[in-house]
Amino acid sequence: GENVEQHPSTLSVQEGDSAVIKCTYSDSASNYFPWYKQELGKRPQLIIDIRSNVGEKKDQRIAVTLNKTAKHFSLHITETQPEDSAVYFCAASISGGSYIPTFGRGTSLIVHP
Amino acid sequence: GAVVSQHPSRVICKSGTSVKIECRSLDFQATTMFWYRQFPKQSLMLMATSNEGSKATYEQGVEKDKFLINHASLTLSTLTVTSAHPEDSSFYICSAGPADVHQETQYFGPGTRLLVL
Repeated sequence: GENVEQHPSTLSVQEGDSAVIKCTYSDSASNYFPWYKQELGKRPQLIIDIRSNVGEKKDQRIAVTLNKTAKHFSLHITETQPEDSAVYFCAASISGGSYIPTFGRGTSLIVHP
Repeated sequence: GAVVSQHPSRVICKSGTSVKIECRSLDFQATTMFWYRQFPKQSLMLMATSNEGSKATYEQGVEKDKFLINHASLTLSTLTVTSAHPEDSSFYICSAGPADVHQETQYFGPGTRLLVL
């Protein structure tokens, strides 16, 4: 089955800095990669996703890059703000098939004012 | 985005009782819903895949007689924790995706915090 590794487990940055979270996956058939943000005690919220037919996607301060050859994808947050503090999860699944997502272990991002 | 609701948001029960948790897709139909369990500061652990009109598919190590799942309609799945024990205390979250397009895009319910005394 699919295995998703996520690093780092904890990331501490100063407000205004950039933050990068990296994930690797094992199943080359995976073609859909969402990122979720989970604030304490709340539900995971989809913040951005990317499909394997593109290498990069951007939405304001958030971007995701995908390297299919190396089987890794990354979340980039620029100009971080304290409200970006949360746990971020990456996931990988197969669109159109058995699309059960496999989640990474999560990254706790702390943005210091 | 699509909206998934979950009820109750928190429940406290005595050991040995059963607890039912509902997961509803409010503005879309979902042939499949997923049930997760999340321990503090840990990732989402998939428990089972709930399939409308058929039996749920359980992940390895999850007792199907302990965690009963029913997906009676395209908008409702229920998880019943039977004969709950303190070790069942956890945060249970469901997710669902619109059946018509990009089903792999999952939206999560707000979660149910279960405390078994």
